[in-house]
Amino acid sequence: EVQMLESGGGLVQPGGSLRLSCAASGFTFSSYAINWVRQAPGKGLEWVSIISGSGGHTYYADSVKGRFTISRDNSKNTLYLQMNSLRVEDTAVYYCAKSPGGGDWTLDYWGQGTLVTVSS
Amino acid sequence: QLVLTQSPSASASLGASVKLTCTLSSGHTTYAFVWHQQQPGKGPRYLMKLNSDGSHSKGDGIPDRFSVSSSGAERYLTISSLQPEDEADYYCQTWATGILVFGGGTKLTVL
Repeated sequence: EVQMLESGGGLVQPGGSLRLSCAASGFTFSSYAINWVRQAPGKGLEWVSIISGSGGHTYYADSVKGRFTISRDNSKNTLYLQMNSLRVEDTAVYYCAKSPGGGDWTLDYWGQGTLVTVSS
Repeated sequence: QLVLTQSPSASASLGASVKLTCTLSSGHTTYAFVWHQQQPGKGPRYLMKLNSDGSHSKGDGIPDRFSVSSSGAERYLTISSLQPEDEADYYCQTWATGILVFGGGTKLTVL
């Protein structure tokens, strides 16, 4: 059974930093691309970033480019999102979601999310 | 700019069918369309994918009451024999080189 469990959310001041983690199990982690998707309170889904199975390819939404860094440790089956220069508008539930790979960016399994609140 | 447009809300009666629409902005060709369901207070769940060749696939445990289709720039998710647990937000999703986008979501109310 595929499982994805996010952690690391919390309250941070504007301008601060936070690192999210996503621990995955139930599939060969290194073979699949993984995404971060966020959802602001009461709003829709917004894609944040994707990283290839090897970690060699990454893409970002314009809203986070230059501030967020996606990475992965395939030896630990764990995905990360380093968030710097946080803004109030980054407040959201952050989900990790697996993609099938091979250029297919379907989000076929989701975690339950971790809440990030950026506030003074 | 790659944009997906969904109606903000829809409603239908218990046991009836409903067709949700997702419209792709003009001038774009994408790989596939995907539908996700988000029940109140829960994370999203993958429902179905409609590939560009017309084939489709479903997520784990998704009942046959859910189906997908297309016409021109529009993509549809049809839910038949509506159940109370179908009351949820539904998001379409697609991607192009280097970008993944969601529609704004449709809130489905089961009357």
